[in-house]
Amino acid sequence: QKEVEQDPGPLSVPEGAIVSLNCTYSNSAFQYFMWYRQYSRKGPELLMYTYSSGNKEDGRFTAQVDKSSKYISLFIRDSQPSDSATYLCAMSRNTGGFKTIFGAGTRLFVKA
Amino acid sequence: DVKVTQSSRYLVKRTGEKVFLECVQDMDHENMFWYRQDPGLGLRLIYFSYDVKMKEKGDIPEGYSVSREKKERFSLILESASTNQTSMYLCASSLNRLGETFYGYTFGSGTRLTVV
Repeated sequence: QKEVEQDPGPLSVPEGAIVSLNCTYSNSAFQYFMWYRQYSRKGPELLMYTYSSGNKEDGRFTAQVDKSSKYISLFIRDSQPSDSATYLCAMSRNTGGFKTIFGAGTRLFVKA
Repeated sequence: DVKVTQSSRYLVKRTGEKVFLECVQDMDHENMFWYRQDPGLGLRLIYFSYDVKMKEKGDIPEGYSVSREKKERFSLILESASTNQTSMYLCASSLNRLGETFYGYTFGSGTRLTVV
């Protein structure tokens, strides 16, 4: 069993839709939870960062962490074609970030 | 803006060649990392460094070595390139010292290496 599971998609939605992206994990020691966005032929960029449980909102993006269920989510409201990218969840279990585990990524297409 | 710059976007090398991938960061980050990214496998850590001249193996170090002679520069070396090392290579850096809070990575744009 992988430490982090993420549905690779692809996920295709119309412009303006609410998008929900999810990851599950098995290691309860994870403390830092991140979402990265990766455009085609580019490196990942940090989109959202959460420490421990709870919600975090930044503009159209909301990250949720449920440590009791070992489940994290990223919601995108009013999705735009420019949101079309691969979204990677990532988790780290120590303060150094030296053992960050990444999900395989979900490919998202937002159609105009 | 923090910048992590990888010297090449695309490289084509022959089997058996020694290959150098260079990475430079300009924000005085303590830690630097090399990952490879393959479809269906996600990102896998090859090596990382938390200080100058220090290096630690990641999950898949076989066939690779690294060098960090200066804080801002982290090089990945493929000692004898093989076709199974064809991949996207990503360099990353992070600010925190060991034991400090981690705030995520800054990645470079990647080097797509093809070994023929």
